[in-house]
Amino acid sequence: KQEVTQIPAALSVPEGENLVLNCSFTDSAIYNLQWFRQDPGKGLTSLLLIQSSQREQTSGRLNASLDKSSGRSTLYIAASQPGDSATYLCAAETGANNLFFGTGTRLTVIP
Amino acid sequence: EAGVTQFPSHSVIEKGQTVTLRCDPISGHDNLYWYRRVMGKEIKFLLHFVKESKQDESGMPNNRFLAERTGGTYSTLKVQPAELEDSGVYFCASSRYSGARPGELFFGEGSRLTVL
Repeated sequence: KQEVTQIPAALSVPEGENLVLNCSFTDSAIYNLQWFRQDPGKGLTSLLLIQSSQREQTSGRLNASLDKSSGRSTLYIAASQPGDSATYLCAAETGANNLFFGTGTRLTVIP
Repeated sequence: EAGVTQFPSHSVIEKGQTVTLRCDPISGHDNLYWYRRVMGKEIKFLLHFVKESKQDESGMPNNRFLAERTGGTYSTLKVQPAELEDSGVYFCASSRYSGARPGELFFGEGSRLTVL
């Protein structure tokens, strides 16, 4: 059974700092890995989706990497802004056609 | 284009009562998923529809939960009778059907259920 872990559970950084969020998964047989953002009381917004054949995806200040063999993915946020404050979730999609989520990292960017 | 919409946003009921949650997926999305997040736990898969058919309901916790998607459009998730441990946020998501892979998921804002 796939298990997804995110470390740290919470992170506070000053504005402008670069940061890395970590995600690990136990079963490397995934179709893709997706990073989401959740604002309080809101739904999940997809940020980046990395197919199993890819190593990384970039969107603006965000860069996500995937290393299937080691069961790891990272989300790199450059030049953080207060508007980046949210909970970030990673999810691994398996052959069962559903997503296994981590518990998330709550990010606070301090102005 | 409207996103995934869920109703109600918050429901407070007493143990033993019935609640029905509704999800309207993005128009044209054949795949519809239900997920649930209980307090302090990760979001977990409940079930997956492709059009009106249940593709996978392996995540449904027990027979008090009934999901339907008549006509392949909106879906309902009924909990009857509700128990305290059913409290949490129920998310719906949809995606296009593109061959064997469903593609990127779009989530609704969730329906928060509180069972007293």
